[in-house]
Amino acid sequence: GAVVSQHPSRVICKSGTSVKIECRSLDFQATTMFWYRQFPKQSLMLMATSNEGSKATYEQGVEKDKFLINHASLTLSTLTVTSAHPEDSSFYICSASAVLAKNIQYFGAGTRLSVL
Amino acid sequence: GDSVTQMEGPVTLSEEAFLTINCTYTATGYPSLFWYVQYPGEGLQLLLKATKADDKGSNKGFEATYRKETTSFHLEKGSVQVSDSAVYFCALSEPGGTSYGKLTFGQGTILTVHP
Repeated sequence: GAVVSQHPSRVICKSGTSVKIECRSLDFQATTMFWYRQFPKQSLMLMATSNEGSKATYEQGVEKDKFLINHASLTLSTLTVTSAHPEDSSFYICSASAVLAKNIQYFGAGTRLSVL
Repeated sequence: GDSVTQMEGPVTLSEEAFLTINCTYTATGYPSLFWYVQYPGEGLQLLLKATKADDKGSNKGFEATYRKETTSFHLEKGSVQVSDSAVYFCALSEPGGTSYGKLTFGQGTILTVHP
């Protein structure tokens, strides 16, 4: 299957700082990228959907000013957690899909964010 | 709205046992159905999929059949291995419209296989 790289795999930061997470599709051009948040022993919660070159569409209850998403190219999307707080600590997962790939979502390995 | 319901876990089995993880869904259209697997510390991997009624998805000994009449997509494997220990997610995706490609996940089922 297609390869999606997510970086970093783990990050620890101080409260109040911002953290950027990158999601790259390595072997295909992703028309759409998705960002999820996963709490311990729970399912994935979709945070936002981003299409290359346009603004992300956020799910209800997700603060767009808190979680900044940029999808600048067909192979890269970034999620920036601004002014992070301990309650933002979670596992963040991205996925990428493309029309030519039958819109199957391919997932990154996830980023474990710990805010101290 | 769309929803996916999986059997509650955790499921604990001995090696070579038969596995069934139930999954039912509600959807307004004719969704595609998926099973994803998440190994410890990793992201999700697509295990199998089915895009229309009566399709059977299969991979690595796992299989699931898209049953429109019962709105189900149960995951089965005849003989599990310790390496199958993971979290399994059932999901659906509606075709077309603004939600094209958007996945709705079940809550996940933890599977532990003992030697």
